[in-house]
Amino acid sequence: DTGVSQDPRHKITKRGQNVTFRCDPISEHNRLYWYRQTLGQGPEFLTYFQNEAQLEKSRLLSDRFSAERPKGSFSTLEIQRTEQGDSAMYLCASSGNRVGYTFGSGTRLTVV
Amino acid sequence: KQEVTQIPAALSVPEGENLVLNCSFTDSAIYNLQWFRQDPGKGLTSLLLIQSSQREQTSGRLNASLDKSSGRSTLYIAASQPGDSATYLCAVTDTGGFKTIFGAGTRLFVKA
Repeated sequence: DTGVSQDPRHKITKRGQNVTFRCDPISEHNRLYWYRQTLGQGPEFLTYFQNEAQLEKSRLLSDRFSAERPKGSFSTLEIQRTEQGDSAMYLCASSGNRVGYTFGSGTRLTVV
Repeated sequence: KQEVTQIPAALSVPEGENLVLNCSFTDSAIYNLQWFRQDPGKGLTSLLLIQSSQREQTSGRLNASLDKSSGRSTLYIAASQPGDSATYLCAVTDTGGFKTIFGAGTRLFVKA
């Protein structure tokens, strides 16, 4: 297992386009998280899955954002009708029981 | 609502100096506390995880302490090196074990 993988590493998109990011967690971790980070700030919680169930969504996650984790394995985060304010680093992390977070390298989104 | 504060926001020290980074949190009902390192444009690397029942953790030149009653944690770095230059983030997980709140980080620069 090589850790948490995120794809793509970088994404540049035009305003109004839809984008989708993928996260592959550590296989034995049952929890998966999405965070967003802007320059000079700590990561902000977006959503959390335990296995395939999405248990919490932040108010930061507007109706343009949707996340899925089919079969409790990889997860996708989709942003529809992107806006310039969506430009950020999107981080995925996974964890298990009494095990701390392991983060992926992130997907840097730039909306032009 | 849990809030995590890190002081100082930035720190510049000469190589070889011992230093302390501070983290405070408002709600003492936590599951664990984790310290991370983040290099520019990269994801987060876990440094130390302290469970709520523990007082400290050590890894090499790093030592982290936890005082739940006062809502504080410190990260002690011994004999700092230029390679330690990075942003250090403190993160607190709630008692449900899934929602983690991050501080804004301390940007450390170690001068050779």
